[in-house]
Amino acid sequence: DIQMTQSPSSLSASIGDRVTITCQATHDIGKFLNWFQQKPGKAPNLLIYDASTLKTGVSPRFTGSGSGTDFTLTISSLQPEDIATYYCQQLHDLPFTFGGGTGVDLK
Amino acid sequence: EVQLAESGGDLIKPGESLRLSCAASGFSFRDAWMSWVRQAPGKGLEWVGRIKSKGGGETRDYNTPVKGRFTISRDDSTATVYLQLNSLSAEDTATYYCVWETRVAVFGRWGRGTLVTVSS
Repeated sequence: DIQMTQSPSSLSASIGDRVTITCQATHDIGKFLNWFQQKPGKAPNLLIYDASTLKTGVSPRFTGSGSGTDFTLTISSLQPEDIATYYCQQLHDLPFTFGGGTGVDLK
Repeated sequence: EVQLAESGGDLIKPGESLRLSCAASGFSFRDAWMSWVRQAPGKGLEWVGRIKSKGGGETRDYNTPVKGRFTISRDDSTATVYLQLNSLSAEDTATYYCVWETRVAVFGRWGRGTLVTVSS
């Protein structure tokens, strides 16, 4: 199975900060990577697919980059509504696998 | 409007079985590839399995922890996807989400989830 390693597992940031989350795959997955945001008690919500394509309606504060084994999700200017847990997911090989998640809260 | 509504979650004993349902609306269900993803309390996300459309051969794939115990099926006439869970153990306790793969390799729409608790 392809393992997805996210870092950090949690972070604290201030409103307006630039936030960066990384996701590393154990094998080359091309650009078959999704990023999700999950708020407490809610279902995950797709933010970015194909590693860098923003889902329609998602704030352009969110950008994704990378290919192969190394990927990044960046929030350009953290807002209160961005407080959540973020997950990456590879869909290159079965079984599809998720990173362990990165919890983002306010400093 | 796209809607995915899971149901069937319950408190059950180890070794018992349960069937979850996911009623879909607002999109062409018969062409849809549908997955189930679960999340244990306070834990991360785990892909359970997927069923492709009839046009895709209705292929079913499963993650290793559930292979041989869980079965995904679909009824295109009622736009419903099912997850049959057998031989349940405490490790299967989780919220189970139904997911529409809006495009190949894109988990675009999720249901709200249904909670399965396995406890004696």
